[in-house]
Amino acid sequence: DAGVIQSPRHEVTEMGQEVTLRCKPISGHDYLFWYRQTMMRGLELLIYFNNNVPIDDSGMPEDRFSAKMPNASFSTLKIQPSEPRDSAVYFCASRRTGSEAFFGQGTRLTVV
Amino acid sequence: AQTVTQSQPEMSVQEAETVTLSCTYDTSENNYYLFWYKQPPSRQMILVIRQEAYKQQNATENRFSVNFQKAAKSFSLKISDSQLGDTAMYFCAFLLISGYALNFGKGTSLLVTP
Repeated sequence: DAGVIQSPRHEVTEMGQEVTLRCKPISGHDYLFWYRQTMMRGLELLIYFNNNVPIDDSGMPEDRFSAKMPNASFSTLKIQPSEPRDSAVYFCASRRTGSEAFFGQGTRLTVV
Repeated sequence: AQTVTQSQPEMSVQEAETVTLSCTYDTSENNYYLFWYKQPPSRQMILVIRQEAYKQQNATENRFSVNFQKAAKSFSLKISDSQLGDTAMYFCAFLLISGYALNFGKGTSLLVTP
């Protein structure tokens, strides 16, 4: 298996622009997570899905953030409009019940 | 809510020496998993070791071992014969067996020096 695949690896955008991060989880995994990592706050859970259904989005910082999982093999995290304070590394992870989480390589987002 | 605390923001060890990273957690539950993840400069999150709370025996993976003290809610990671490639951030994580998402500590930055 190729593991969790995220795209893009790096994204630089101007403040106010829409940003879409993409994730392909490991086949057969029924949980998908979006985390954000910053120096100040460490790893924060933004949202997670179980069987494509959003379960807990209480970590999503603002209404500017949204996430979807239209099918078992694809998820997106969208920020609209983006702000400089959204600059961070965004990780997607997946797992199946009873197993550890496997992480993608992350997307480094820079909003200028 | 379960919290995970890593009290050592930074640590340093010489190559070939042994180092122990600390982690404590807070939960009222009895069934859970604990993990150590490594994040090298490449930023990839890599699972190092896993411990099931119902197992009394401490987990071991080659040079990595844990000291799991359930009553004390402590889960430390020992790295033996440290190598330069062990330089990374190390995160302790907690997962309820009945839960969904991992709770992570703030991490410990480990530097292995020649």
